[in-house]
Amino acid sequence: NAGVTQTPKFQVLKTGQSMTLQCAQDMNHNSMYWYRQDPGMGLRLIYYSASEGTTDKGEVPNGYNVSRLNKREFSLRLESAAPSQTSVYFCASSRQGSNEKLFFGSGTQLSVL
Amino acid sequence: AQSVTQLGSHVSVSEGALVLLRCNYSSSVPPYLFWYVQYPNQGLQLLLKYTSAATLVKGINGFEAEFKKSETSFHLTKPSAHMSDAAEYFCAVSDLGSSNTGKLIFGQGTTLQVKP
Repeated sequence: NAGVTQTPKFQVLKTGQSMTLQCAQDMNHNSMYWYRQDPGMGLRLIYYSASEGTTDKGEVPNGYNVSRLNKREFSLRLESAAPSQTSVYFCASSRQGSNEKLFFGSGTQLSVL
Repeated sequence: AQSVTQLGSHVSVSEGALVLLRCNYSSSVPPYLFWYVQYPNQGLQLLLKYTSAATLVKGINGFEAEFKKSETSFHLTKPSAHMSDAAEYFCAVSDLGSSNTGKLIFGQGTTLQVKP
């Protein structure tokens, strides 16, 4: 059972570089989420997609864009990386909405130098 | 908007002792509340979920939490700590907003250390 798969697991970028974090789920879930985790701050929501074809901003969307490519895939793009975006990024999915159990990927550790 | 506050960023207990991790929430509507656990270098896993069916919620690995509306609290407990319980624990509240699908808002997390 793959669940939620994130790639890559680790990435180092230079300031100003761009990259896309990939996320895919195989559970036929409608809702998908991107969070970032920073020490002492818990998980903060960047963007979410309640269903295929929709995306909404979370708490900290600045500097990020997302694409819900299809029901399975939800990507997160950093157009011009900044050191403040150094973090661990988690993708998650749920059957429908935030009242349901969220299933998390194993995370992407991103460093921006 | 909904929010949660976890009291104590770090809790240390001896193996076999009671575990108590504190969470207070703020919500203008009856909340959906969750506890998640994160083991080192892993994603989060659901421990338990409150949905108003019962105020005492039992989860996996012997954990339980009690919803107290008068105190706006949802503290997590386990009668006897095990070494394998060492992890980071997150309280979360569902914020439905206007979309009725909503987003999950997490607390800052509490690291549980279990001493032999």
